[in-house]
Amino acid sequence: SAVISQKPSRDICQRGTSLTIQCQVDSQVTMMFWYRQQPGQSLTLIATANQGSEATYESGFVIDKFPISRPNLTFSTLTVSNMSPEDSSIYLCSVEGPLNTEAFFGQGTRLTVV
Amino acid sequence: GNSVTQMEGPVTLSEEAFLTINCTYTATGYPSLFWYVQYPGEGLQLLLKATKADDKGSNKGFEATYRKETTSFHLEKGSVQVSDSAVYFCALLDSGNTPLVFGKGTRLSVIA
Repeated sequence: SAVISQKPSRDICQRGTSLTIQCQVDSQVTMMFWYRQQPGQSLTLIATANQGSEATYESGFVIDKFPISRPNLTFSTLTVSNMSPEDSSIYLCSVEGPLNTEAFFGQGTRLTVV
Repeated sequence: GNSVTQMEGPVTLSEEAFLTINCTYTATGYPSLFWYVQYPGEGLQLLLKATKADDKGSNKGFEATYRKETTSFHLEKGSVQVSDSAVYFCALLDSGNTPLVFGKGTRLSVIA
C-alpha cells in the first residue's frame, strides 16, 4: 500500500490569491492524479502528473489556473491560482497500487475562498 | 471511454431496511471495481473492492459482486443503520497508470 501525506488539510483564502497543495508519497510512483470535489459533487480529475514531463490536463482545466509540479517520483504540488469563490472545493491527490487493483488518496485539502 | 453510472439519490431508508445502490460501468479493458464512502465532513474511504469477475467485496456488512455479464457492481446491505448515512461512490480502475473513474455518488440517509 501507499501512504500519502497531503497538506494543508484545509485553508481559507482571499480571492485573487494562490494556494499550493503538496502531496508526499512514501514510495516511488509513476503517475500522480489530482482531483477536485466541489460541494455536493463527485470527484473530477483535474490532471495527471508524470515525473519529468508536463502534466496532462482534463477538459475544462488549464495549466495557468492549476499549475502542477512533479519534481521527483514521490512528490507533487498543485497550485490553485487567482482564486475565486467558485474554487472552493476539496482537492485530493491520488496514486495507484500495482496491477491497477487499488488507488490511494491523500486526506484532501478543504479550500474555502472568501 | 470508461464510465460509471450509479443510481441517483438521495435515498432515504428507515433503520434496518435493505439497501441496494445500483452501479453499472463501461470499460475498454478489464477493470477493478470499487465502492467508496464519504461520511459527512470527512474524506473519502475505500469501502470494498473486487478485481475480477464473480469476486464479492465485503466490508462493514456491505457487499458487492463483480458481474461481468451485466457490467454491474451493485452495493447491498441487509440492515442499514443511522451511522451508514453518507455518500457512496462507485468507481472503476482500468489499465495501469490511468485514473479512477467515479460515478456521481448516491447520498444515503437512514432515519431511526
